[in-house]
Amino acid sequence: GQQLNQSPQSMFIQEGEDVSMNCTSSSIFNTWLWYKQDPGEGPVLLIALYKAGELTSNGRLTAQFGITRKDSFLNISASIPSDVGIYFCAGQDSGTYKYIFGTGTRLKVLA
Amino acid sequence: DAGVIQSPRHEVTEMGQEVTLRCKPISGHNSLFWYRQTMMRGLELLIYFNNNVPIDDSGMPEDRFSAKMPNASFSTLKIQPSEPRDSAVYFCASSLGAWGNTEAFFGQGTRLTVV
Repeated sequence: GQQLNQSPQSMFIQEGEDVSMNCTSSSIFNTWLWYKQDPGEGPVLLIALYKAGELTSNGRLTAQFGITRKDSFLNISASIPSDVGIYFCAGQDSGTYKYIFGTGTRLKVLA
Repeated sequence: DAGVIQSPRHEVTEMGQEVTLRCKPISGHNSLFWYRQTMMRGLELLIYFNNNVPIDDSGMPEDRFSAKMPNASFSTLKIQPSEPRDSAVYFCASSLGAWGNTEAFFGQGTRLTVV
């Protein structure tokens, strides 16, 4: 099925460092969502974005809805060991209204 | 709230056997989604129900897969006969409102292994 391009695929970082990841698509999206998935669990919603250009924060997490409506960014500041997991973006296709998930960014934090 | 409840958490079955996965959505949610997650293909939407009615099943891989939602608090995903390539984690999710209007909440998933 259709997927978003999410990068990087994986990353190792030191505790305390900031992290950035992004998703891009050839399609225009109405909504962008960012989820985190811990091992053996389902994805949990972190941030939802509804307007182009919107910048939203949730604690140490900040996400932006790209102005072109074809991309989104997630930043994590001052990473901690519990930030480990897989982060997924999901975009709502403007034509079908389906949510399409990115391929995920696997984050590993080194203490 | 107990969240979306899926059972079983793990299922190991032999090729050719029938498999039934179960889901109880969050009470009051009227949209339900079944997803499949694999390393190769990521998270794929299989089917979407709204008010117990299947709205979009274009993601169902083939006739071996079927899904039902007999009432607002229960849904099943059945694979018959199962094949090794069906091995994946299957997630159920529910949301309040119609497609895309509100965020979906996911269950813990069922890890299916077909040997």
